[in-house]
Amino acid sequence: AQKVTQAQTEISVVEKEDVTLDCVYETRDTTYYLFWYKQPPSGELVFLIRRNSFDEQNEISGRYSWNFQKSTSSFNFTITASQVVDSAVYFCALSLDQSRPGFQKLVFGTGTRLLVSP
Amino acid sequence: DVKVTQSSRYLVKRTGEKVFLECVQDMDHENMFWYRQDPGLGLRLIYFSYDVKMKEKGDIPEGYSVSREKKERFSLILESASTNQTSMYLCASTPREGGPYEQYFGPGTRLTVT
Repeated sequence: AQKVTQAQTEISVVEKEDVTLDCVYETRDTTYYLFWYKQPPSGELVFLIRRNSFDEQNEISGRYSWNFQKSTSSFNFTITASQVVDSAVYFCALSLDQSRPGFQKLVFGTGTRLLVSP
Repeated sequence: DVKVTQSSRYLVKRTGEKVFLECVQDMDHENMFWYRQDPGLGLRLIYFSYDVKMKEKGDIPEGYSVSREKKERFSLILESASTNQTSMYLCASTPREGGPYEQYFGPGTRLTVT
């Protein structure tokens, strides 16, 4: 069975602090994909990143960075110099490479609520 | 830009009513999904569809049905709404070929059943 665990329910930081959101996944498949989504107060989930299981290189996009470690089954997300606009719920998700056409099921973690105060 | 729209942002229904939640996407995506989001449970898949008139159950299909008569529209139906179906409902879509691609989400419908 596939599972995604986001142990941090809520994190509060002050603006300009760095913050790391943890994501631990479980799967027996060798081919899989990991995602991060952001859900601002407006409610719509926004895609942030996709990473496949064969690419362990860390990714940086502006103030965002992701650390993928297969050895610990983790795909952690760091926001550097956080801003108030980063306040949102962040979801980590896992997708398997299914053989059935059109079937792309995402297994989501329970989300981490990030509160950035001025 | 891909746009996924949902018919209502907020909806209040009574127990036993039949409820229709509509989702429309404008990018010709084959795959469409319905999730419900509850505090502490994350997003759980109710149903998905990979083509017109095709549907498959997700993890929590009980009490729900779906309809996909046109490629761009995917409807979630609560045959007889119950209070435990009070939740946020999110629709998503994604292309079929290649991938798996990221899913594009609508703004959500917050349903309250009283």
